[in-house]
Amino acid sequence: GQNIDQPTEMTATEGAIVQINCTYQTSGFNGLFWYQQHAGEAPTFLSYNVLDGLEEKGRFSSFLSRSKGYSYLLLKELQMKDSASYLCAALDSNYQLIWGAGTKLIIKP
Amino acid sequence: DSGVTQTPKHLITATGQRVTLRCSPRSGDLSVYWYQQSLDQGLQFLIQYYNGEERAKGNILERFSAQQFPDLHSELNLSSLELGDSALYFCASDRGTELPGYTFGSGTRLTVV
Repeated sequence: GQNIDQPTEMTATEGAIVQINCTYQTSGFNGLFWYQQHAGEAPTFLSYNVLDGLEEKGRFSSFLSRSKGYSYLLLKELQMKDSASYLCAALDSNYQLIWGAGTKLIIKP
Repeated sequence: DSGVTQTPKHLITATGQRVTLRCSPRSGDLSVYWYQQSLDQGLQFLIQYYNGEERAKGNILERFSAQQFPDLHSELNLSSLELGDSALYFCASDRGTELPGYTFGSGTRLTVV
């Protein structure tokens, strides 16, 4: 079957760095997405990786290893507004997104 | 404003009732996706339409149905509502012919009492 695993909840301190991991098993693979979702709001696109390696975009970076079925989202210089859920989603061979349950990130002052 | 419009934003109804949620996709997008998100849960894919036709089906209950109209707007019909149907319902759209870069609407919060 198809499966996405990511931690349920993580806590970090303002100004610090946090890494949110995601492992995936899908029928075929056409890329990995990360979305941010604040409570009660719509998910917003953060990143898309299809090749191995690290993609950096400001304070956020996303990494992919296709051979390991693994990705992470790295958030630097954490701000209180980064408190949100982070959703990992893999694109399968039918170009359907398979979603993880999300990681709730709590930022403490 | 993402360009994807969902109405209504909030809906409160009683068990056993039927409701219709509406979604207008972003201009130029042919594909519409419906998702359900219960409190503190992940996104559950319900159904996808592309240019008026059903393209993919997820965990959609038989009490739920959807359609996409010629003007590309979509409606999700929920009937015989139960307390457990209380959730955020999101619509998302994309071109449908490229890698999905979903754009989500702001959602409809359904409360069944």
